[in-house]
Amino acid sequence: VQLVESGGGLVQPGKSLKLSCSASGFTFSSYGMHWIRQAPGKGLDWVAYISSSSGTVYADAVKGRFTISRDNAKNTLYLQLNSLKSEDTAIYYCAKTGHTYPDYWGQGVMVTVSS
Amino acid sequence: DVVMTQTPVSMSVSLGGQVSISCRSSQSLVHNNGNTYLSWYIQKPSQSPQLLIYKVSNRFSGISDRFSGSGSGTDFTLKISRVEPDDLGVYYCGQGTQYPLTFGSGTKLEIK
Repeated sequence: VQLVESGGGLVQPGKSLKLSCSASGFTFSSYGMHWIRQAPGKGLDWVAYISSSSGTVYADAVKGRFTISRDNAKNTLYLQLNSLKSEDTAIYYCAKTGHTYPDYWGQGVMVTVSS
Repeated sequence: DVVMTQTPVSMSVSLGGQVSISCRSSQSLVHNNGNTYLSWYIQKPSQSPQLLIYKVSNRFSGISDRFSGSGSGTDFTLKISRVEPDDLGVYYCGQGTQYPLTFGSGTKLEIK
């Protein structure tokens, strides 16, 4: 299993960013996927989940601002981040779901929200 | 939301020693299907988290039998025996029984 995130960077408050997670080594379309973030020096903070059938669940802190999606033909998971705030600054990890829990994690991508 | 409380915050152990990390949840982690979705992860320095234990006591693929998980309901424990240098890092418990998924605040393991 390999998960590779991309799309991070420095963005101003209120702006948008789209993260991607390229998956390989497993049948991507058969598994739910998570986005989990980690602010600098802090713990793990679950962000969103998308099932194999594209049902979605979000953390309250990002509901209405972030959108998780997937393209099974491209084996790619996405996270659209809108109306970004300074508190969204974090490393964002994509993770495959084992049953409900994340099992394999990507290396992460840094998102910095600052003016 | 389910609050996960881990203790201790940090600990130091000699090589070859044994450690126990406690994790308590604010609600029972028994799912409607009868499973208990309590997992343990290690985050080694400058790396992403790695799954060690899932469903309380099941070791993930490739994980040494030096790692063992136990517990039920709201109280869970991770034990590491014969500690090795590669075991240093931050250990997190996490629950997957209900959304939002939540994690403990972490236990930093240092090697004496």
